[in-house]
Amino acid sequence: DAMVIQNPRYQVTQFGKPVTLSCSQTLNHNVMYWYQQKSSQAPKLLFHYYDKDFNNEADTPDNFQSRRPNTSFCFLDIRSPGLGDAAMYLCATGVAGYNEQFFGPGTRLTVL
Amino acid sequence: AQSVTQLDSQVPVFEEAPVELRCNYSSSVSVYLFWYVQYPNQGLQLLLKYLSGSTLVESINGFEAEFNKSQTSFHLRKPSVHISDTAEYFCAVSDPLLGGGGNKLTFGTGTQLKVEL
Repeated sequence: DAMVIQNPRYQVTQFGKPVTLSCSQTLNHNVMYWYQQKSSQAPKLLFHYYDKDFNNEADTPDNFQSRRPNTSFCFLDIRSPGLGDAAMYLCATGVAGYNEQFFGPGTRLTVL
Repeated sequence: AQSVTQLDSQVPVFEEAPVELRCNYSSSVSVYLFWYVQYPNQGLQLLLKYLSGSTLVESINGFEAEFNKSQTSFHLRKPSVHISDTAEYFCAVSDPLLGGGGNKLTFGTGTQLKVEL
C-alpha cells in the first residue's frame, strides 16, 4: 500500500544533542510537510517542500532545519534540542493544487 | 488569517448514544474543511472532507459533517458511537493559496471523545 513512513517512532535525545527525524513516502507526492504537535495541542506547521523548494513558516525557530534529497525522503534536523522541543513530529505529503494531506504515524521526541 | 475553534476540549458519551463535535472557522477565502482523527501515539487519519458540492459529507464509519456557510460551522456528528471511536478529533481548514505550491492546514485545538460503557 502507498503510504507515509516515519522513523523512528520514538526518539530520545539529550539536551543540546543534534537529532534527525526521517520521513519517506511511496505516494510520489510533490509536497512534503513537517508539523510539530506538543502535548494536548494542535499540530503546527513548521515548513514544507514543494519539490526541491523549501518554504519555512515565519515563526519556525532557526534550530529546526530540513532536507529533501529526493522525492521520497524528507528529514527534520533539530540542531540543539531544548526541553521545549519535546513533541510529536508529524510528516505529511500532498499534491500541489490539492488540499488533502496524508499523514505518517509520527515520531515522538523526548529530550532529557 | 484563517482560524478554527473547537469549543469542546472533552466530550464524554455513552456507547450507542449520538454525539456532535463542534467546529467553527473563520476564513476570507474559499473554504476547504477537514476532520482528522488521532488515536493515542499515532498520526492523523483523515475522517472526512468538504471541498465543494454537497454540504453534507459522510465517512465510511458512520460519521458525517455538514458545512454551514452562514454559521461558519462544520460540526461532526455520529448517531450511535462505539467504544472504538474514543480518540482525539481535529477540525482543520485549508488555505489553498500558500506560496510555494503547497497548502497550509490550520487546526483547531482538538476534542477528546471518550466513549463509555
